[in-house]
Amino acid sequence: RKEVEQDPGPFNVPEGATVAFNCTYSNSASQSFFWYRQDCRKEPKLLMSVYSSGNEDGRFTAQLNRASQYISLLIRDSKLSDSATYLCVVNIGSNDMRFGAGTRLTVKP
Amino acid sequence: DAGITQSPRHKVTETGTPVTLRCHQTENHRYMYWYRQDPGHGLRLIHYSYGVKDTDKGEVSDGYSVSRSKTEDFLLTLESATSSQTSVYFCAISEGGSSSPLHFGNGTRLTVT
Repeated sequence: RKEVEQDPGPFNVPEGATVAFNCTYSNSASQSFFWYRQDCRKEPKLLMSVYSSGNEDGRFTAQLNRASQYISLLIRDSKLSDSATYLCVVNIGSNDMRFGAGTRLTVKP
Repeated sequence: DAGITQSPRHKVTETGTPVTLRCHQTENHRYMYWYRQDPGHGLRLIHYSYGVKDTDKGEVSDGYSVSRSKTEDFLLTLESATSSQTSVYFCAISEGGSSSPLHFGNGTRLTVT
């Protein structure tokens, strides 16, 4: 079983839609969680950290469920520019970050 | 954007030849990492460094070595490149600590023929 698993998608949604991604992790000792965005042939860029109480940054909301060992990312009012691959990242300790393979999102006009 | 520069950006090499990739940072971060990214896999850690001359292995370290003689530079060496090492290589930096995110360089595309 992989340390971090994501639905690879692709998710194809119209502009303005709300879309949600989930990510499950296997290590119950995981300490911190992040969502990254990666555009085609580019480096991953930090989208947001995920806090225990959940957190929001504009149209983006991240949630953590430690009991069920998953994190989620909700994107409201999707824009064309949101089209990218979204990577779930889990720090399992000692600076050991584990990455999901990514969920691909395409927002269409 | 974090000051991280990778070189070269692209490289094609033959099986059996040595290859060195360079990562240079201007952020004075303590931690530096080398990852590889392949289709169907998440980024996988090759090696990381927690200070000058202090390095440790990641989950896919076989066939790779690293060196860090200065805070700002972290080198990844493939002693004898194989076709399975064809990949995109990303360098990353962080301040350290479990809540510190990684910041990535723009990657090196390596093809081993």
